[in-house]
Amino acid sequence: GQSLEQPSEVTAVEGAIVQMNCTYQTSGFYGLSWYQQHDGGAPTFLSYNALDGLEETGRFSSFLSRSDSYGYLLLQELQMKDSASYFCAVREGTGGFKTIFGAGTRLFVKA
Amino acid sequence: SQTIHQWPATLVQPVGSPLSLECTVEGTSNPNLYWYRQAAGRGLQLLFYSIGIDQISSEVPQNLSASRPQDRQFILSSKKLLLSDSGFYLCAWSPQGAYGYTFGSGTRLTVV
Repeated sequence: GQSLEQPSEVTAVEGAIVQMNCTYQTSGFYGLSWYQQHDGGAPTFLSYNALDGLEETGRFSSFLSRSDSYGYLLLQELQMKDSASYFCAVREGTGGFKTIFGAGTRLFVKA
Repeated sequence: SQTIHQWPATLVQPVGSPLSLECTVEGTSNPNLYWYRQAAGRGLQLLFYSIGIDQISSEVPQNLSASRPQDRQFILSSKKLLLSDSGFYLCAWSPQGAYGYTFGSGTRLTVV
């Protein structure tokens, strides 16, 4: 069946680097996305990896290893505003029209 | 620019009552449209997706249904709400062939 595993919580200090992992088991894998969601808000798209390797966008980097069914999101120079939930999501199914989300990692950034 | 509108923002409905949530997208054509539900502190559960008018796929067999009467309009309905239908309902869209979704602001539904 389909499953995405993420640690439930991560705590880090302002200015530090944090890595949030995601392992997945799905059918017809097309790519791995990451979304950020602040309390009470809607998710916002951060990044997408279709191929193995690292993608960098400012302070955010996302990595994918298709052979290991594994990816991670790396946040550098943490800021208090980065405190939020982070979801990995797999694009799958026939034609890649479906995106299945993990349960999310809650990131707490401390001063 | 493209925008997505979802309403209402909050809704309190009694058990057994009907439901209709509406989502519209502006500034694009033939978008892929999605309905997700999120329980408190949990991930997003895909309910329905649509790649075109009258092309709707259901992911979860339950008392919800979806319709797409126009290209950029997606409606989530129920004839009789259950307590378990409470949650945060999110509509999303993406261009054809794109991989990032843009979500609406969501509807927080409480069934009492």
